[in-house]
Amino acid sequence: EAEVAQSPRYKITEKSQAVAFWCDPISGHATLYWYRQILGQGPELLVQFQDESVVDDSQLPKDRFSAERLKGVDSTLKIQPAELGDSAMYLCASSLRTANTEAFFGQGTRLTVV
Amino acid sequence: GESVGLHLPTLSVQEGDNSIINCAYSNSASDYFIWYKQESGKGPQFIIDIRSNMDKRQGQRVTVLLNKTVKHLSLQIAATQPGDSAVYFCAENFTGNQFYFGTGTSLTVIP
Repeated sequence: EAEVAQSPRYKITEKSQAVAFWCDPISGHATLYWYRQILGQGPELLVQFQDESVVDDSQLPKDRFSAERLKGVDSTLKIQPAELGDSAMYLCASSLRTANTEAFFGQGTRLTVV
Repeated sequence: GESVGLHLPTLSVQEGDNSIINCAYSNSASDYFIWYKQESGKGPQFIIDIRSNMDKRQGQRVTVLLNKTVKHLSLQIAATQPGDSAVYFCAENFTGNQFYFGTGTSLTVIP
């Protein structure tokens, strides 16, 4: 069964350091999402791509976060510099097309900033 | 059921009983909804979806009901099993295929 792949599964970093997460969506899925999930809460959308283009990054803290999907396939989310409040689960999801299609999630990257 | 806030609603049921998890969604323009199951340390797993032109959809042991009048979704799990223990989220979609999640409900199945 096709899956959304994410790496690393866990990351511990010191505050002010840079950190990056990688996501490989299900093959053929044009839409890719990055979500952040704080413990005990639902996922919150950070950025949405359609192919290589950003559809929505209104909730992405652009002073420290960046995301790219250069070839419209895999994607990288970067934080620089990391802050203590960035500790969370970072989830990637993909869907086949834009309208009313289920999004499938990866296992996430658990980030701890110390 | 779900509620806005920092405390995760909880539901405990006996194994074999039916479970009902509720969700109040926010936007009357939402036209597509998904229920996800999330186990500890894992990503959300798709369970069942429903479009706004329907009021009921059934899957294997699960049924989703949609009441657009009061902006309410429910997930019914029949014959709940220990493996159903998880946090359940409803997600609504109302613009650009972006999914907005509620707080979630923690389901515990008592053997």
